[in-house]
Amino acid sequence: GDSVTQMEGPVTLSEEAFLTINCTYTATGYPSLFWYVQYPGEGLQLLLKATKADDKGSNKGFEATYRKETTSFHLEKGSVQVSDSAVYFCALSGGLTGGGNKLTFGTGTQLKVEL
Amino acid sequence: SQTIHQWPATLVQPVGSPLSLECTVEGTSNPNLYWYRQAAGRGLQLLFYSVGIGQISSEVPQNLSASRPQDRQFILSSKKLLLSDSGFYLCAWSVLARNTDTQYFGPGTRLTVL
Repeated sequence: GDSVTQMEGPVTLSEEAFLTINCTYTATGYPSLFWYVQYPGEGLQLLLKATKADDKGSNKGFEATYRKETTSFHLEKGSVQVSDSAVYFCALSGGLTGGGNKLTFGTGTQLKVEL
Repeated sequence: SQTIHQWPATLVQPVGSPLSLECTVEGTSNPNLYWYRQAAGRGLQLLFYSVGIGQISSEVPQNLSASRPQDRQFILSSKKLLLSDSGFYLCAWSVLARNTDTQYFGPGTRLTVL
């Protein structure tokens, strides 16, 4: 079945450091790929997405490129801020019987940014 | 614009008590609706999904049930809660657009079963 593997956290960085959170996936077909962010005590917010190979999703300075050859969707940001501290989830979308799409999530990577 | 509401935000219930969590969506018609659970320190697990009124599919066996009495209302229920039902419950909606089905999440309900 479908699966998503994320790098283990927590990740602790200094402000303005470069961020990479690795994500690889296993899926049949050609899923869409997503990054969601969860701030403490809140629900998930869509951060960015990519729907086909070589697509680059970007938002708020974060980027991720859909790499079919390496089955990866790594999240990057050139300069993190304290406000980026949150848990980041990589996910892929696969079809459900009868319609709709199931999101398969990684276990999440906690990011802590310090001054 | 579309919004999704969940209530209550926080709930503490004794083992064996009933449960009813509600989710409503505004600003869209005929959405796909989903219930996820996030256990402490773990990822999200899909519990139920619905592609229309009265249509419910379950992804995992459990003592929870779901219902969709109206187009934009999705309810998660239990007759008798277990300790293992504790967690963060998230409702999500999606509408197929441009061959992509992006899911948008509500604020969640944190359930503690004692």
